[in-house]
Amino acid sequence: GENVEQHPSTLSVQEGDSAVIKCTYSDSASNYFPWYKQELGKRPQLIIDIRSNVGEKKDQRIAVTLNKTAKHFSLHITETQPEDSAVYFCAATVSGGSYIPTFGRGTSLIVHP
Amino acid sequence: DVKVTQSSRYLVKRTGEKVFLECVQDMDHENMFWYRQDPGLGLRLIYFSYDVKMKEKGDIPEGYSVSREKKERFSLILESASTNQTSMYLCASTPGGGVSYGYTFGSGTRLTVV
Repeated sequence: GENVEQHPSTLSVQEGDSAVIKCTYSDSASNYFPWYKQELGKRPQLIIDIRSNVGEKKDQRIAVTLNKTAKHFSLHITETQPEDSAVYFCAATVSGGSYIPTFGRGTSLIVHP
Repeated sequence: DVKVTQSSRYLVKRTGEKVFLECVQDMDHENMFWYRQDPGLGLRLIYFSYDVKMKEKGDIPEGYSVSREKKERFSLILESASTNQTSMYLCASTPGGGVSYGYTFGSGTRLTVV
């Protein structure tokens, strides 16, 4: 089955810096890659996603890049703010199978004011 | 705004009790899921359903069952609660149609079994 590795498990940055979280996946048939943000005590929320026919997608300060050859994808957050502090989860899904995502273990991002 | 609503935010139950966790979505989604979330273990899939009266086991179904009598409602049942089922339980839903979509999660139910 699919295996998703997420790194780092904890990331500490200063406000205004950029943050990058990386995920690797094992199944080359995976073709949908969402990212979720979970603030303390709240539900995970989808913040951005990318499909395998696209190499990069941006939404204001966040972007996701996908390298299908290397089987990895990354979340980039620019100009970080304290409200970006949260746990971020990546996932990989094989469409045409069960459509059940395989999640990474999460990255705790801390943005220091 | 689309919504997935879980009936209880916090629950405290005794060992051996039968526990019902309810989840309702108002988006006409075909697919519904139950996960538990534990520190260091991430999100683990308990059961899922692609249609009314349909259910499939996830990665950790032991000790749980589910019911989906209506499209909008997916219930998780702990047949005989045990202390190792103390956890955060998250319900989620997605549209169907043969394409992968991101999850819409409920707010979660933090269950403590004493």
